Amino acid sequence: NAGVTQTPKFRVLKTGQSMTLLCAQDMNHEYMYWYRQDPGMGLRLIHYSVGEGTTAKGEVPDGYNVSRLKKQNFLLGLESAAPSQTSVYFCASSYPTGKTDTQYFGPGTRLTVL
Amino acid sequence: AQKITQTQPGMFVQEKEAVTLDCTYDTSDQSYGLFWYKQPSSGEMIFLIYQGSYDEQNATEGRYSLNFQKARKSANLVISASQLGDSAMYFCAMRDMDSNYQLIWGAGTKLIIKP
Repeated sequence: NAGVTQTPKFRVLKTGQSMTLLCAQDMNHEYMYWYRQDPGMGLRLIHYSVGEGTTAKGEVPDGYNVSRLKKQNFLLGLESAAPSQTSVYFCASSYPTGKTDTQYFGPGTRLTVL
Repeated sequence: AQKITQTQPGMFVQEKEAVTLDCTYDTSDQSYGLFWYKQPSSGEMIFLIYQGSYDEQNATEGRYSLNFQKARKSANLVISASQLGDSAMYFCAMRDMDSNYQLIWGAGTKLIIKP
C-alpha cells in the first residue's frame, strides 16, 4: 500500500520556469491538500480539494494553480517560478469522517528556485 | 492573532524521561479538533494523536498522550519514556469552523533526545 506519493522528490528551477508537482493517493480519500513548509514555520495550506473536479484556495494560493481531474491525483502547478517559492511542498489526503479527518502526508518535494 | 502557539522552539531531554511539548490555541468555535504530528529528519509528516473538543477523555496512543485543558485552551503532547527515535520536529495543528475546517499549524518544537 503506497499511501500518498509525490513526484518529483527534488527539483531546481530557474526564475520564470514552470513545473507541475504530482500527488497520487491510493486510499480512496475524498480530500486532498497541498502545503508548503518554510524553515522555522509550520505548514501553510496552498490549495485543497474536497472531491474530483473541485478545488479551493488555502492560506497562500498566489502563484500556484491546481487541478483534480481524477480522484486519486492532485496536481500543483507553478506557472512562473519565483525565488520566494523555494520551499518543501507536501501533499496530503484525508477521508471526511467528520471531526477527526486525519490527514496523511506524502514524503515531500524539495523545490529550489534560482 | 496566532491560532496555534508552540512556545518551545527546541528541547533537550534525557532518554527514558517523559517530555511535555506545549501547544496553546485560539478559537471561538465550540467544535474543533487538535492534532499532533511528528516530522523526523527524513522529512515525512507522521500523524500521532487527535483530540476532539467534545471528547471527555484525554486522547492516548501508546506512549503518546494529550493533556487537554479546554478552559486554558491548551493541548500539550506528553511522550512517556522517551526514546532516541523520538528526536524530531513536533507540530500541533487545529481545525475549526473559522479555518473552514482546514488545518492551521503551529511553528513546531524540535525535540532532541540525549542518550
